[in-house]
Amino acid sequence: EPEVTQTPSHQVTQMGQEVILRCVPISNHLYFYWYRQILGQKVEFLVSFYNNEISEKSEIFDDQFSVERPDGSNFTLKIRSTKLEDSAMYFCASSPQGATEAFFGQGTRLTVV
Amino acid sequence: AQSVTQLDSHVSVSEGTPVLLRCNYSSSYSPSLFWYVQHPNKGLQLLLKYTSAATLVKGINGFEAEFKKSETSFHLTKPSAHMSDAAEYFCVVSRINNAGNMLTFGGGTRLMVKP
Repeated sequence: EPEVTQTPSHQVTQMGQEVILRCVPISNHLYFYWYRQILGQKVEFLVSFYNNEISEKSEIFDDQFSVERPDGSNFTLKIRSTKLEDSAMYFCASSPQGATEAFFGQGTRLTVV
Repeated sequence: AQSVTQLDSHVSVSEGTPVLLRCNYSSSYSPSLFWYVQHPNKGLQLLLKYTSAATLVKGINGFEAEFKKSETSFHLTKPSAHMSDAAEYFCVVSRINNAGNMLTFGGGTRLMVKP
């Protein structure tokens, strides 16, 4: 069964460093998303991406964040200069045209020290 | 605007007894509603979904949920808990537009199953 895959599963980075989280969505899906879950808090929407551009973003998704689909398969989230409060589980998701649900990867746990 | 409230952060049941995980939602439009499950060190797996068809929705692993518009509820049930059901469960409401479907999550309910 096709699935969304994320790498790495766990990343530790120093405050101020740039980090790139990688995702391979399900191949025939058209919509791509990033969500995050800070420990003990709700899963929160960050951004959606469709037709090679950001289609919607939340207040959390400020200038420190960017997304890219550099080729036909990968979807990345870049955090330019990480802060301690960026420590969280980051989930990538994708959905096909017309679907009501999204399909999630297993997450990348980002720890900023 | 949309929101989801999961009424219990932790639920503990004995194996073989019924499970009830409660969820209330708020949405400005006809919602699509979901339950996702997260087992330790695993991703978010879709358990079931409601999309304005039958109000009683059956999902995987014997779970089902009933959409009650008058009560704005979408509670998750299972007649008999199994040890493998121990996980975190998320009630989710979806807003669909041209940008895709933005999901709003509840706070999660951790289900513990005692032998």
